Amino acid sequence: DIQMTQSPSSLSASVGDRVTVTCQASQDISNYLNWYQQKPGKAPELLIYDASNLATGVPSRFSGSGSGTDFTFTINSLQPEDFATYYCQQYDDLRPRWTFGQGTKVEVK
Amino acid sequence: QVQMVQSGAEVKKPGASVKVSCKASGYTFTHYNMHWVRQAPGRGLEWLGVINPSGGGTSYAQKFQGRVTLTRDTATSTVYMELSSLTSEDTAVYYCARDRRGDDLYSWGQGTLVTVSS
Repeated sequence: DIQMTQSPSSLSASVGDRVTVTCQASQDISNYLNWYQQKPGKAPELLIYDASNLATGVPSRFSGSGSGTDFTFTINSLQPEDFATYYCQQYDDLRPRWTFGQGTKVEVK
Repeated sequence: QVQMVQSGAEVKKPGASVKVSCKASGYTFTHYNMHWVRQAPGRGLEWLGVINPSGGGTSYAQKFQGRVTLTRDTATSTVYMELSSLTSEDTAVYYCARDRRGDDLYSWGQGTLVTVSS
Protein backbone atom coordinates (compact mmCIF):
# COMPACT_ATOMS: atom_id res chain seq x y z
CA ASP A 1 0.00 0.00 0.00
CA ILE A 2 1.07 3.57 -0.67
CA GLN A 3 2.16 5.56 2.39
CA MET A 4 1.91 9.35 2.62
CA THR A 5 4.38 11.24 4.82
CA GLN A 6 3.25 14.76 5.63
CA SER A 7 5.35 17.37 7.40
CA PRO A 8 5.50 19.22 9.63
CA SER A 9 2.89 17.83 12.03
CA SER A 10 2.33 21.34 13.35
CA LEU A 11 3.60 24.85 12.81
CA SER A 12 3.14 28.26 14.35
CA ALA A 13 2.56 31.24 12.10
CA SER A 14 1.26 34.79 12.12
CA VAL A 15 -1.36 36.48 9.98
CA GLY A 16 0.31 37.50 6.73
CA ASP A 17 2.91 34.72 6.82
CA ARG A 18 3.56 32.30 4.00
CA VAL A 19 2.99 28.70 5.11
CA THR A 20 4.29 25.58 3.36
CA VAL A 21 3.37 21.95 3.99
CA THR A 22 4.91 18.98 2.22
CA CYS A 23 3.65 15.51 1.46
CA GLN A 24 5.77 12.64 0.18
CA ALA A 25 4.36 9.45 -1.36
CA SER A 26 6.09 6.10 -0.97
CA GLN A 27 5.79 5.54 -4.72
CA ASP A 28 4.91 7.50 -7.85
CA ILE A 29 1.29 8.67 -7.64
CA SER A 30 1.40 11.02 -10.65
CA ASN A 31 -0.81 13.97 -9.67
CA TYR A 32 -3.41 11.93 -7.76
CA LEU A 33 -3.16 14.14 -4.71
CA ASN A 34 -5.68 16.37 -2.94
CA TRP A 35 -5.38 18.83 -0.06
CA TYR A 36 -8.07 19.37 2.57
CA GLN A 37 -8.66 21.87 5.34
CA GLN A 38 -10.40 20.75 8.51
CA LYS A 39 -11.66 22.90 11.36
CA PRO A 40 -12.69 21.51 14.76
CA GLY A 41 -16.00 19.67 14.69
CA LYS A 42 -16.32 19.98 10.91
CA ALA A 43 -15.89 17.63 7.96
CA PRO A 44 -12.79 18.16 5.81
CA GLU A 45 -13.15 20.67 3.02
CA LEU A 46 -11.43 20.21 -0.35
CA LEU A 47 -9.03 23.01 -1.26
CA ILE A 48 -6.79 21.58 -3.98
CA TYR A 49 -7.40 18.62 -6.28
CA ASP A 50 -5.12 16.85 -8.73
CA ALA A 51 -2.13 18.37 -6.93
CA SER A 52 -2.53 21.90 -8.25
CA ASN A 53 -6.14 22.74 -9.13
CA LEU A 54 -8.06 25.10 -6.89
CA ALA A 55 -11.50 23.82 -5.89
CA THR A 56 -14.47 26.08 -6.60
CA GLY A 57 -14.77 29.00 -4.22
CA VAL A 58 -11.34 28.51 -2.63
CA PRO A 59 -9.31 31.73 -2.28
CA SER A 60 -6.31 32.10 -4.57
CA ARG A 61 -3.89 32.42 -1.61
CA PHE A 62 -4.04 28.60 -1.46
CA SER A 63 -1.95 26.68 -3.97
CA GLY A 64 -0.49 23.25 -4.57
CA SER A 65 2.30 21.85 -6.68
CA GLY A 66 4.21 18.67 -7.37
CA SER A 67 3.88 15.33 -9.09
CA GLY A 68 5.30 11.85 -8.73
CA THR A 69 6.28 11.51 -5.08
CA ASP A 70 6.80 15.06 -3.77
CA PHE A 71 4.06 17.60 -3.23
CA THR A 72 3.81 21.05 -1.67
CA PHE A 73 0.86 23.01 -0.31
CA THR A 74 1.23 26.74 0.25
CA ILE A 75 -0.85 29.45 1.87
CA ASN A 76 0.28 32.90 0.79
CA SER A 77 -0.53 35.62 3.31
CA LEU A 78 -2.15 33.56 6.05
CA GLN A 79 -5.56 34.86 7.15
CA PRO A 80 -7.22 34.45 10.58
CA GLU A 81 -9.69 31.92 9.16
CA ASP A 82 -6.83 29.73 7.89
CA PHE A 83 -5.81 28.46 11.33
CA ALA A 84 -6.87 24.83 10.95
CA THR A 85 -5.50 21.37 10.21
CA TYR A 86 -4.51 20.43 6.66
CA TYR A 87 -4.34 16.96 5.16
CA CYS A 88 -2.98 15.58 1.95
CA GLN A 89 -4.92 12.69 0.43
CA GLN A 90 -3.73 10.26 -2.19
CA TYR A 91 -6.30 8.57 -4.38
CA ASP A 92 -5.91 5.63 -6.71
CA ASP A 93 -7.52 6.16 -10.09
CA LEU A 94 -7.70 2.44 -10.87
CA ARG A 95 -8.64 1.09 -7.45
CA PRO A 96 -10.80 3.52 -5.48
CA ARG A 97 -8.73 3.62 -2.29
CA TRP A 98 -7.66 6.67 -0.29
CA THR A 99 -4.63 7.33 1.90
CA PHE A 100 -4.25 10.41 4.06
CA GLY A 101 -1.20 12.17 5.36
CA GLN A 102 -0.87 12.58 9.11
CA GLY A 103 -2.08 16.18 9.05
CA THR A 104 -0.51 19.57 9.76
CA LYS A 105 -1.98 21.82 12.41
CA VAL A 106 -1.44 25.51 11.68
CA GLU A 107 -1.50 27.42 14.97
CA VAL A 108 -1.25 31.05 15.99
CA LYS A 109 2.29 32.16 16.76
CA GLN B 1 -27.65 20.32 -4.26
CA VAL B 2 -25.49 17.32 -3.48
CA GLN B 3 -25.95 16.27 0.12
CA MET B 4 -25.06 13.33 2.35
CA VAL B 5 -27.00 13.15 5.61
CA GLN B 6 -25.71 10.70 8.20
CA SER B 7 -27.51 9.07 11.10
CA GLY B 8 -27.16 10.31 14.65
CA ALA B 9 -24.60 9.68 17.36
CA GLU B 10 -24.29 6.20 18.85
CA VAL B 11 -23.06 4.83 22.15
CA LYS B 12 -22.05 1.18 22.15
CA LYS B 13 -20.52 -1.27 24.60
CA PRO B 14 -17.27 -3.07 23.83
CA GLY B 15 -17.85 -6.14 21.68
CA ALA B 16 -21.02 -4.75 20.10
CA SER B 17 -21.58 -3.67 16.50
CA VAL B 18 -22.66 -0.32 15.12
CA LYS B 19 -24.40 0.52 11.84
CA VAL B 20 -24.22 4.07 10.51
CA SER B 21 -26.29 5.27 7.56
CA CYS B 22 -25.54 7.90 4.92
CA LYS B 23 -28.46 9.10 2.79
CA ALA B 24 -27.47 10.75 -0.46
CA SER B 25 -29.44 13.25 -2.51
CA GLY B 26 -28.98 15.72 -5.34
CA TYR B 27 -27.25 13.39 -7.79
CA THR B 28 -27.55 9.95 -9.40
CA PHE B 29 -26.74 7.64 -6.49
CA THR B 30 -25.45 4.73 -8.55
CA HIS B 31 -22.95 6.81 -10.52
CA TYR B 32 -20.51 7.61 -7.68
CA ASN B 33 -18.53 5.45 -5.29
CA MET B 34 -19.02 6.17 -1.59
CA HIS B 35 -16.10 6.08 0.83
CA TRP B 36 -16.02 5.89 4.62
CA VAL B 37 -13.40 7.71 6.68
CA ARG B 38 -13.06 7.95 10.44
CA GLN B 39 -11.32 10.31 12.84
CA ALA B 40 -10.57 9.37 16.44
CA PRO B 41 -10.48 12.22 18.98
CA GLY B 42 -7.41 14.37 18.37
CA ARG B 43 -6.22 12.09 15.58
CA GLY B 44 -5.99 12.17 11.78
CA LEU B 45 -8.22 10.86 9.02
CA GLU B 46 -8.32 7.11 8.41
CA TRP B 47 -9.88 5.43 5.36
CA LEU B 48 -12.08 2.40 6.07
CA GLY B 49 -13.39 1.37 2.69
CA VAL B 50 -15.47 2.12 -0.38
CA ILE B 51 -18.63 0.80 -2.02
CA ASN B 52 -19.79 1.02 -5.61
CA PRO B 53 -23.53 1.68 -5.21
CA SER B 54 -24.26 0.42 -8.72
CA GLY B 55 -23.17 -3.19 -8.31
CA GLY B 56 -22.53 -3.24 -4.56
CA GLY B 57 -18.84 -4.10 -4.95
CA THR B 58 -16.66 -3.15 -1.99
CA SER B 59 -13.02 -2.65 -1.07
CA TYR B 60 -11.78 -2.35 2.50
CA ALA B 61 -8.62 -1.15 4.20
CA GLN B 62 -6.61 -4.15 5.33
CA LYS B 63 -6.79 -2.98 8.93
CA PHE B 64 -10.58 -3.34 8.93
CA GLN B 65 -10.98 -6.46 6.79
CA GLY B 66 -13.40 -8.85 8.44
CA ARG B 67 -14.74 -6.20 10.79
CA VAL B 68 -16.32 -3.62 8.49
CA THR B 69 -19.17 -4.17 6.04
CA LEU B 70 -20.46 -1.61 3.57
CA THR B 71 -23.88 -2.09 1.99
CA ARG B 72 -26.29 0.03 0.03
CA ASP B 73 -30.01 0.41 -0.65
CA THR B 74 -30.54 1.86 -4.10
CA ALA B 75 -34.27 2.37 -3.46
CA THR B 76 -33.51 4.94 -0.75
CA SER B 77 -30.07 6.11 -1.99
CA THR B 78 -28.56 5.10 1.32
CA VAL B 79 -25.19 3.57 2.13
CA TYR B 80 -24.53 1.75 5.41
CA MET B 81 -21.30 1.15 7.32
CA GLU B 82 -21.34 -1.61 9.92
CA LEU B 83 -18.37 -2.11 12.24
CA SER B 84 -18.28 -5.12 14.54
CA SER B 85 -16.32 -6.24 17.63
CA LEU B 86 -16.05 -2.65 18.83
CA THR B 87 -13.36 -1.55 21.27
CA SER B 88 -12.61 1.83 22.80
CA GLU B 89 -10.15 2.36 19.94
CA ASP B 90 -13.15 2.60 17.59
CA THR B 91 -14.45 5.72 19.32
CA ALA B 92 -14.40 8.23 16.48
CA VAL B 93 -16.37 10.41 14.12
CA TYR B 94 -17.30 8.40 11.03
CA TYR B 95 -17.76 10.21 7.72
CA CYS B 96 -19.20 9.11 4.42
CA ALA B 97 -17.74 10.89 1.41
CA ARG B 98 -18.91 10.73 -2.19
CA ASP B 99 -16.14 10.15 -4.67
CA ARG B 100 -15.48 12.42 -7.62
CA ARG B 101 -16.31 11.82 -11.23
CA GLY B 102 -14.21 13.93 -13.55
CA ASP B 103 -14.63 17.55 -12.51
CA ASP B 104 -17.62 16.73 -10.30
CA LEU B 105 -15.69 16.70 -7.05
CA TYR B 106 -16.03 15.14 -3.63
CA SER B 107 -18.77 15.73 -1.09
CA TRP B 108 -18.74 14.75 2.58
CA GLY B 109 -21.40 13.92 5.12
CA GLN B 110 -21.59 15.78 8.42
CA GLY B 111 -20.08 12.94 10.42
CA THR B 112 -21.46 10.54 13.05
CA LEU B 113 -19.88 10.21 16.47
CA VAL B 114 -19.59 6.62 17.67
CA THR B 115 -18.59 6.25 21.31
CA VAL B 116 -17.54 2.85 22.64
CA SER B 117 -17.69 2.69 26.40
CA SER B 118 -18.56 0.19 29.06
